[in-house]
Amino acid sequence: QSALTQPASVSGSPGQSITISCTGTSSDIGSSNLVSWYRNHPGKAPKLVIYEVSKRPSGVSTRLSGSKSGNTASLTISGLQAEDEADYYCCSSTDSSWVFGGGTKLTVL
Amino acid sequence: EVQLVESGGALVKPGGSLRLSCAASGFTFSDTWMTWVRQAPGKGLEWVGRIKSKSDGGTRDYAASVEGRFIISRDDSRNTLYLQMNSLMTEDTALYYCTTIWGRGDDSWGQGTLVTVSS
Repeated sequence: QSALTQPASVSGSPGQSITISCTGTSSDIGSSNLVSWYRNHPGKAPKLVIYEVSKRPSGVSTRLSGSKSGNTASLTISGLQAEDEADYYCCSSTDSSWVFGGGTKLTVL
Repeated sequence: EVQLVESGGALVKPGGSLRLSCAASGFTFSDTWMTWVRQAPGKGLEWVGRIKSKSDGGTRDYAASVEGRFIISRDDSRNTLYLQMNSLMTEDTALYYCTTIWGRGDDSWGQGTLVTVSS
């Protein structure tokens, strides 16, 4: 199972919106509604920010939203804040496993 | 409060073996499918494998990169998850997390235990 494809980095200024894409195949994203996104700060455990494509766990800011079209999932963060700076990983279920994206480093300028 | 505490990480030579443990508390461990995820230094997250609950058959699935070398097991009486790692390679160097990832809601992760494979 190959890793999902994410851009290595994205950046934006405070207040702006950014979107991180995550491209898979018909065997993972394309056939699954169990697509998640994680925020990861170096040295800390990953934190779930989106699950089932577009749902937010309790406590996650409404500025974060998720979507999916075909084999590509997307995470949008609106009203960028300094605290959003982190690595973001997408994750999808497959037939009998999970697969992660390579990760995207978000820089808030 | 859910807690997952990994242990057992160490420096080991290529070809060696190591067993990691994950002590769980704060939830019904025996009913939970448990997963190992790793992160190599400076790299992304990689799914290692998972074990289902005994009531769901207790079956195990592994990533192709570890199939045949790693074995996941669980001791529900001790609320503990294990990862037996054999024939270790330098590419297995990583921070290993245990997690309750399930895709349908919030999940929990431990803080990880570091495995370094080097001669």
